[in-house]
Amino acid sequence: AQTVTQSQPEMSVQEAETVTLSCTYDTSESDYYLFWYKQPPSRQMILVIRQEAYKQQNATENRFSVNFQKAAKSFSLKISDSQLGDAAMYFCALRVQGAQKLVFGQGTRLTINP
Amino acid sequence: AAGVIQSPRHLIKEKRETATLKCYPIPRHDTVYWYQQGPGQDPQFLISFYEKMQSDKGSIPDRFSAQQFSDYHSELNMSSLELGDSALYFCASSFLPGTGSSEQYFGPGTRLTVT
Repeated sequence: AQTVTQSQPEMSVQEAETVTLSCTYDTSESDYYLFWYKQPPSRQMILVIRQEAYKQQNATENRFSVNFQKAAKSFSLKISDSQLGDAAMYFCALRVQGAQKLVFGQGTRLTINP
Repeated sequence: AAGVIQSPRHLIKEKRETATLKCYPIPRHDTVYWYQQGPGQDPQFLISFYEKMQSDKGSIPDRFSAQQFSDYHSELNMSSLELGDSALYFCASSFLPGTGSSEQYFGPGTRLTVT
């Protein structure tokens, strides 16, 4: 079975600052994919970034980057130059190769202070 | 770009009634997934279909059933509704499930309220 844990229920950051959201996971599979999804007040689930476990290079998408530590089973999300529109619930998710379902963490609510 | 379409967006039902939620995947996507998100909770996987066949099953109650049709749209049928079924129901779609990263793209969700 796979589990995903987000130990920070809430985080806040000043606008234009950098914030890091934590995520740890557990799986016995060697081939898997990790994702960060954003859920703003509209409740839409928006894919932010993905990381393939076999890739050593950390994924980057504009102001969003990850720190993937495979041995530690850690997958944190860094948001640089935080903007008011980044305020949302952020979910870390795991899918193992060959499986269908995403397993989500409990979420971290991010507040951006102007 | 076209997105996943879900209907209705909001639904209010009474206990013991039935409900049908519909999902239209992104064009050329062949797999649909259903998730349930209770208040203040993370989404929980219910069931998925690939090429009209059930491909994976999660914590879906026996009172619920789903299917995927020849045009790839999917319907989630919920019977004998309970108060605890009140939640946001997401449909997601992808192409070639289980291969590569095959990102799942989510629809806007259907908010079901059972009174």
